[in-house]
Amino acid sequence: GEKVEQHESTLSVREGDSAVINCTYTDTASSYFPWYKQEAGKSLHFVIDIRSNVDRKQSQRLIVLLDKKAKRFSLHITATQPEDSAIYFCAASIQNTGNYKYVFGAGTRLKVIA
Amino acid sequence: VTLLEQNPRWRLVPRGQAVNLRCILKNSQYPWMSWYQQDLQKQLQWLFTLRSPGDKEVKSLPGADYLATRVTDTELRLQVANMSQGRTLYCTCSFSQGAGNTLYFGEGSRLIVV
Repeated sequence: GEKVEQHESTLSVREGDSAVINCTYTDTASSYFPWYKQEAGKSLHFVIDIRSNVDRKQSQRLIVLLDKKAKRFSLHITATQPEDSAIYFCAASIQNTGNYKYVFGAGTRLKVIA
Repeated sequence: VTLLEQNPRWRLVPRGQAVNLRCILKNSQYPWMSWYQQDLQKQLQWLFTLRSPGDKEVKSLPGADYLATRVTDTELRLQVANMSQGRTLYCTCSFSQGAGNTLYFGEGSRLIVV
């Protein structure tokens, strides 16, 4: 079946440094790639997304890159702050017998050390 | 602003018993409602997407059996049975079906098997 692999299970960075989380996907028809943040004990919150018609998107300190040829996308968090510490999930849209669903990566636990 | 209200927020479930979950949509602008599960290892998995009142689906996955019902335009239910391990069930909503639609997550219903 369709898969999304999230390559870093854990990531530690120093405050102010950049963090990069990488994901790959298998379904060539995937066209939408959102990222979600989950803080400890809480639900998931949307942070940023990218559509397949562009290869780069930035929102403040967040940058998403998409390489369709390699079926790879990544989240870059610049100038990290302690409040960026959380689990980050990448996802890819999949069409499944008329329904769209999102297949999620396994999550990356980011720790920003002050 | 909270788009979704889930209850119960958590529940102890005796092994072999079923549990019923409810999700109430607070903003009818996001009528596409879904259930996702998150296992103890934090892996997220799509379960169902139900749009119209009266829609009903069943699914058996490793670790639990599910029955989802779209009761009204604003209420989605999920019955979870034969659960072998705890998990959290998230209700989501989105503006439309299809790739490119942001998923908004409810706060989740955490189920603990005892």
